[in-house]
Amino acid sequence: SYVLTQPPSVSVAPGKTARITCGGNNIGSKSVHWYQRKPGQAPVLVISYDSDRPSGIPERFSGSNSGNTATLTISRVEAGDEADYYCHVWDSRSDHSVFGGGTKLTVL
Amino acid sequence: EVQLLESGGGLVQPGGSLRLSCAASGFTYSNYAMSWVRQAPGKGLEWVSSINTGGDYTYYADSMKGRFTISRDNSKNTIYLQMNSLGAGDTALYYCAKASGTAAGAAVDLWGQGTVVIVSS
Repeated sequence: SYVLTQPPSVSVAPGKTARITCGGNNIGSKSVHWYQRKPGQAPVLVISYDSDRPSGIPERFSGSNSGNTATLTISRVEAGDEADYYCHVWDSRSDHSVFGGGTKLTVL
Repeated sequence: EVQLLESGGGLVQPGGSLRLSCAASGFTYSNYAMSWVRQAPGKGLEWVSSINTGGDYTYYADSMKGRFTISRDNSKNTIYLQMNSLGAGDTALYYCAKASGTAAGAAVDLWGQGTVVIVSS
């Protein structure tokens, strides 16, 4: 089955740039979606189809996808960005949705 | 208001069954694929199952196949998850999730608040 690998944690100082990676075999050939989940809240879509930003999501959030790695980039990080972030793809070979293990973003 | 409202969670004994429901409102429900996603305590998001717009194509995670059944009633704007042969590993918060399009693999652009399932004797 297809596997997505995320670092368990990423730490960044306020105002700096956070990069959260999502690794998968030839993930560049798939569409990657990213979700933010804060404690006690439902997940929120922050990036769809590799780099599209839904309405209401700050421009500070961006995404890229190439080769074996997709990346969620959060510029000018704020305390309110502290959350768990998950990548998500559809594996057409198995007709399965797959989530990465999640990355906890800590704002120092 | 655009929302998904799950219900049906609760405490069930190992080996038991439970049926979750998810009522949609505020959008043309029949135009979108729908999914169930769960999160076990201290764990990450785990895809459970998806269903296409017409309800004739269903997809399951390997560990749920044969035990769980997803269905939808477009006349009631509701999807269901029938869960049988439940084990402790099924204890989780179950989210109802709306796809952003007709494809089961589309981005999830709307999540419910979730319903808790606890499997314990």
